[in-house]
Amino acid sequence: AQSVTQPDIHITVSEGASLELRCNYSYGATPYLFWYVQSPGQGLQLLLKYFSGDTLVQGIKGFEAEFKRSQSSFNLRKPSVHWSDAAEYFCAVGPPEAAGNKLTFGGGTRVLVKP
Amino acid sequence: EAGVVQSPRYKIIEKKQPVAFWCNPISGHNTLYWYRQNLGQGPELLIRYENEEAVDDSQLPKDRFSAERLKGVDSTLKIQPAELGDSAVYLCASSPLTVNTEAFFGQGTRLTVV
Repeated sequence: AQSVTQPDIHITVSEGASLELRCNYSYGATPYLFWYVQSPGQGLQLLLKYFSGDTLVQGIKGFEAEFKRSQSSFNLRKPSVHWSDAAEYFCAVGPPEAAGNKLTFGGGTRVLVKP
Repeated sequence: EAGVVQSPRYKIIEKKQPVAFWCNPISGHNTLYWYRQNLGQGPELLIRYENEEAVDDSQLPKDRFSAERLKGVDSTLKIQPAELGDSAVYLCASSPLTVNTEAFFGQGTRLTVV
């Protein structure tokens, strides 16, 4: 069965500092990979996705993620964090080349931004 | 383009009462999902529809939960009777019935059972 692990429950970062959120997955094959962000009281917004090709993926709001097959990881990064990036971030995997995506989510990482 | 619309946004009910949530997916999206998100956790899939057919309801507690998607557009998720442990955010999402696409989520319904 597939699973997603986000080892860090909380991360506190200073505004302007870099941010890296870890994501490890267990899957039979290379899955589709996603990062979603959830602001308080809001639904999930897609930051970026990886289906195939270039393993460094660019997303919205200045985020990027790198797929490392050997490590079964899909870590999310941002070079300089803004106060508005305070939110909860979810990594998710889905079956490859499947119509629609049945997603399995990690437990999330809550990011706090210090001024 | 309108996103996924859910209502109500918030619902407080007493245990053993029934409750229903409504979802209107993005126009043209054939696939519709209901997820449950417990506090401090990631969402978990309850049921997935392709058009009006429930193709994956293995995680839906069928003794008290039911869902329908008449005409393959709007969907309703019902709980009867509600239990304290059902307190959670219920998220609806939709996606096109094609490969290489992602799911788009609504804002969710926060249910509190007291």
